[in-house]
Amino acid sequence: KAGVTQTPRYLIKTRGQQVTLSCSPISGHRSVSWYQQTPGQGLQFLFEYFSETQRNKGNFPGRFSGRQFSNSRSEMNVSTLELGDSALYLCASSPRDRKNTGELFFGEGSRLTVL
Amino acid sequence: GEDVEQSLFLSVREGDSSVINCTYTDSSSTYLYWYKQEPGAGLQLLTYIFSNMDMKQDQRLTVLLNKKDKHLSLRIADTQTGDSAIYFCAESMRSYDKVIFGPGTSLSVIP
Repeated sequence: KAGVTQTPRYLIKTRGQQVTLSCSPISGHRSVSWYQQTPGQGLQFLFEYFSETQRNKGNFPGRFSGRQFSNSRSEMNVSTLELGDSALYLCASSPRDRKNTGELFFGEGSRLTVL
Repeated sequence: GEDVEQSLFLSVREGDSSVINCTYTDSSSTYLYWYKQEPGAGLQLLTYIFSNMDMKQDQRLTVLLNKKDKHLSLRIADTQTGDSAIYFCAESMRSYDKVIFGPGTSLSVIP
């Protein structure tokens, strides 16, 4: 079974621009979570989508948004980029219902550099 | 509040045991996880433990949970150079809740 796929793997943007990252979950997984990973802050939870609805949300400003499509693929968008948004953005999928352990399956991430 | 703390670095000799410690603040956390991240890769679940368990063993891995002190540890027996990675402790209240990660412990194995 194919794993979690994130695109693009690497991208460079300048301050003030916006960026859209894409995540295709494992087939059959209905939950997609997004995390920001930086050396100073570690893994910070952005948001989680389940069946096209945002189910959980972290403490990020409104510049960070996401959505999920009917096929469970998810996108996240960051507008008005700042230098501090440079990070590895990780997507994770999960069946995430009450019957399982809540294990997250991670993609390899999208490395965003803001200049 | 929710917070997970870990020491940032650990260095051990090949063949020795490694013990990575973690403390969490949310006493209602039900699921506690250990994830591993190798260079250039995403995270991969190593093992998990429910809050109603004290210990879980899986081959070379032993997880100990002290719920009273909110302390979780991961012991890796016979540590190998391939175990060099970052290890993340994580918690979740329910299987469908957000998963909160610690800062990660970078394990270096000296041949």
